[in-house]
Amino acid sequence: QKEVEQNSGPLSVPEGAIASLNCTYSDRGSQSFFWYRQYSGKSPELIMFIYSNGDKEDGRFTAQLNKASQYVSLLIRDSQPSDSATYLCAASNTNAGKSTFGDGTTLTVKP
Amino acid sequence: KAGVTQTPRYLIKTRGQQVTLSCSPISGHRSVSWYQQTPGQGLQFLFEYFSETQRNKGNFPGRFSGRQFSNSRSEMNVSTLELGDSALYLCASKEVAGVRFTDTQYFGPGTRLTVL
Repeated sequence: QKEVEQNSGPLSVPEGAIASLNCTYSDRGSQSFFWYRQYSGKSPELIMFIYSNGDKEDGRFTAQLNKASQYVSLLIRDSQPSDSATYLCAASNTNAGKSTFGDGTTLTVKP
Repeated sequence: KAGVTQTPRYLIKTRGQQVTLSCSPISGHRSVSWYQQTPGQGLQFLFEYFSETQRNKGNFPGRFSGRQFSNSRSEMNVSTLELGDSALYLCASKEVAGVRFTDTQYFGPGTRLTVL
């Protein structure tokens, strides 16, 4: 079992819809969680991070964290074709000095 | 601030050769991590350097090595290249405040290595 699992995708949503990306992690020592967006042929770009249980909103993006369920999600509202990319979830255990990435979910937003 | 820079951006080598990749972190960031990304394996952690010392290491063979200089710039070396080493090599930097490591990593553009 991978330490960080993401829904395998690919995920396809129409323009304007809400895209929901999910991630589970196994290391209970993880304290920080990150979402990166990676366009094809490019490097990962940080979108959001979340440390506390609950929701964190930044523009069209909302990250949700539930430490009891070891679950992290990213909601993208009003999805745009420019949101089409692979989204990587990462869990970080500062005490262990370790960050682990999921394999990513590829999102396609169709006009 | 300028972002993380990596050189070269593209590299073609043949099996058995060695290669050195370079990474300059964001100004003020003292931790540098290296990752290998391939379609089949995803993003795999190679190692992390802080204050010229390797802080953590992933599960890669000894052919993969790195170092960090006093200005926080880092290099990664792969010796005796194999076809399977073809990948995007990413460097990421993060801030260290005193003894506390922050978790937020910022990636460079990567070096695309092709081994023929």
